[in-house]
Amino acid sequence: DTGVSQDPRHKITKRGQNVTFRCDPISEHNRLYWYRQTLGQGPEFLTYFQNEAQLEKSRLLSDRFSAERPKGSFSTLEIQRTEQGDSAMYLCASSFPRGAGANVLTFGAGSRLTVL
Amino acid sequence: AQSVTQLGSHVSVSEGALVLLRCNYSSSVPPYLFWYVQYPNQGLQLLLKYTSAATLVKGINDFEAEFKKSETSFHLTKPSAHMSDAAEYFCAVTISNDYKLSFGAGTTVTVRA
Repeated sequence: DTGVSQDPRHKITKRGQNVTFRCDPISEHNRLYWYRQTLGQGPEFLTYFQNEAQLEKSRLLSDRFSAERPKGSFSTLEIQRTEQGDSAMYLCASSFPRGAGANVLTFGAGSRLTVL
Repeated sequence: AQSVTQLGSHVSVSEGALVLLRCNYSSSVPPYLFWYVQYPNQGLQLLLKYTSAATLVKGINDFEAEFKKSETSFHLTKPSAHMSDAAEYFCAVTISNDYKLSFGAGTTVTVRA
């Protein structure tokens, strides 16, 4: 168990560019969540997957944002035409519905996006 | 919708003193409640969780929290602060089977030598 991995850890981009973040959850976890955290705030829910199905999307997830989990394993979060307001830490978490740690979200270290 | 409010964005304590972080929740049904800690440049780490079993929950690193339904509170305490406790702490709540968490704004703890 290597935990939840996120890549890249830091991304600096210019306004208008597209960026993609990747999340590799704990291997046996079937649920995967994306959160956004801005400075001085708690994480805000963006979307979550159960296996490959995207079950819920927050209103925060505008049409410039798209998330996928094609084979029910890793996930990608793409932001098109980035804006300065997209600057934030993007956190990925995963969980499993059974066992000792049932339904406890395990978070990755996050991907910090800075849009210039 | 469920939510949590963390009272106090910053708490400063002396090493060895009691740590008390306050969290109040709002929920129309019995909630599940969590405390997470975040160290600089790291992800969130679970300290403890309340899932309707014992109202006094013990977590890692000597932290504990007590669920008080009458006060809609889930305050986090630690009897004796250590320098390594300096971090940001988040209270979170969920009521749904998907365990989608709603977080508070966080409380930053600094520990004075």
